[in-house]
Amino acid sequence: DGGITQSPKYLFRKEGQNVTLSCEQNLNHDAMYWYRQDPGQGLRLIYYSQIVNDFQKGDIAEGYSVSREKKESFPLTVTSAQKNPTAFYLCASSIGRGQGGYTFGSGTRLTVV
Amino acid sequence: GQNIDQPTEMTATEGAIVQINCTYQTSGFNGLFWYQQHAGEAPTFLSYNVLDGLEEKGRFSSFLSRSKGYSYLLLKELQMKDSASYLCAASRMDSSYKLIFGSGTRLLVRP
Repeated sequence: DGGITQSPKYLFRKEGQNVTLSCEQNLNHDAMYWYRQDPGQGLRLIYYSQIVNDFQKGDIAEGYSVSREKKESFPLTVTSAQKNPTAFYLCASSIGRGQGGYTFGSGTRLTVV
Repeated sequence: GQNIDQPTEMTATEGAIVQINCTYQTSGFNGLFWYQQHAGEAPTFLSYNVLDGLEEKGRFSSFLSRSKGYSYLLLKELQMKDSASYLCAASRMDSSYKLIFGSGTRLLVRP
């Protein structure tokens, strides 16, 4: 079955540490996205990529970095520069131009300890 | 500009009908998506409207008026499991692949 997989489901980070969230899809989708969701709030776009080896900043890219070396993979690194990283992180993919909608991963809940 | 508005919260009774409204101001608007999200889980696709009118899919229906920048999601025969957040999202006709999301409407279904 095709799908999009995020790991880990729960992640704990110490102050000053970088952590990387994994996102892998086998849907052959061109575009991939990272969103952040805070309690009781909507989705805010961090980064997105429409094609391999290319990505663009979203609305809240500061303190985050990404790479897109393979079509299937779009990992997100939360750096120590992100001052308030505790949130629910969602990865999504789409066939292109948003017409097919998004397929979402199951999410990673990141907590700073 | 890009702006999508939805009510923050709604409450309804089991077995009843509820309508969740969404208004949008999106340049180059193409279509309108509705997603359901249970707490702590990923959003799941409910509907997609490109043309004006009502699309019915079981207990859920979605309506779009392009001229008014307005959509609604209609949930019939409400069940307790329908308690969730409902996200409205707009797609654009330009080269951008992004969806523009509203903040979501939290629906509480009471017995």
